[in-house]
Amino acid sequence: QSVLTQPPSVSAAPGQKVTISCSGSSSNIGNNYVSWCQQLPGTAPKLLIYDNDRRPSGIPDRFSGSKSGTSATLAITGLQTGDEADYYCGTWDSSLSAYVFGTGTKVTVL
Amino acid sequence: QVQLVQSGAEVKKPGASVKVSCKASGYTLTGYYMHWVRQAPGQGLEWMGRINPNSGDTNYAQIFQGRVTMTRDTSISTAYMEVSRLTSDDTAVYYCARDSTGVYCSGGSCFVFDFWGQGTLVTVSS
Repeated sequence: QSVLTQPPSVSAAPGQKVTISCSGSSSNIGNNYVSWCQQLPGTAPKLLIYDNDRRPSGIPDRFSGSKSGTSATLAITGLQTGDEADYYCGTWDSSLSAYVFGTGTKVTVL
Repeated sequence: QVQLVQSGAEVKKPGASVKVSCKASGYTLTGYYMHWVRQAPGQGLEWMGRINPNSGDTNYAQIFQGRVTMTRDTSISTAYMEVSRLTSDDTAVYYCARDSTGVYCSGGSCFVFDFWGQGTLVTVSS
């Protein structure tokens, strides 16, 4: 099982906001940058956030990331039906000498 | 534009090996680490390791040490990932992913997977 813990699912109505937490430790989130990716059903993951809070070009500002201590958070505002997907956090773990992904969170738009 | 195109689906028997390719276009393969990530059916993402296409140096996740080999052929801008001694637990979609931070990045600030291949389904079944 992953060393990064995410809630299995979150949901909200269109236009609302959801937040996804990613909990780790000092060997991973606490001392390294966090990325977030989105995986639409049946497709490859797509980078949403890197270096804790930076968006690649083309990613709308409805998606934002933050980090505090050994936890990180992804926020999605103005929720759209097209945002229904699985979301994963990820970072380097210095103790494991491995990149680790979170357990994944399924976002449902009600 | 950057593209990573992977080889097609494979069906293998337990104990066999499989080699997946990832052809890069739109950029210079040797400038960026290539990572491999797998996803078992209905499960999450699992990092397998990475290769520096410039030097050929590799780093593997401990659970794959001795069973996974990552290589590259710079003449055709292609990275490869081979898994040996397959079991049913290796049934998964395997992805290659480019690391945008470049081959000279070191430490925890690296590992930004900006482009992904389409995935290759490997099914292990007797």
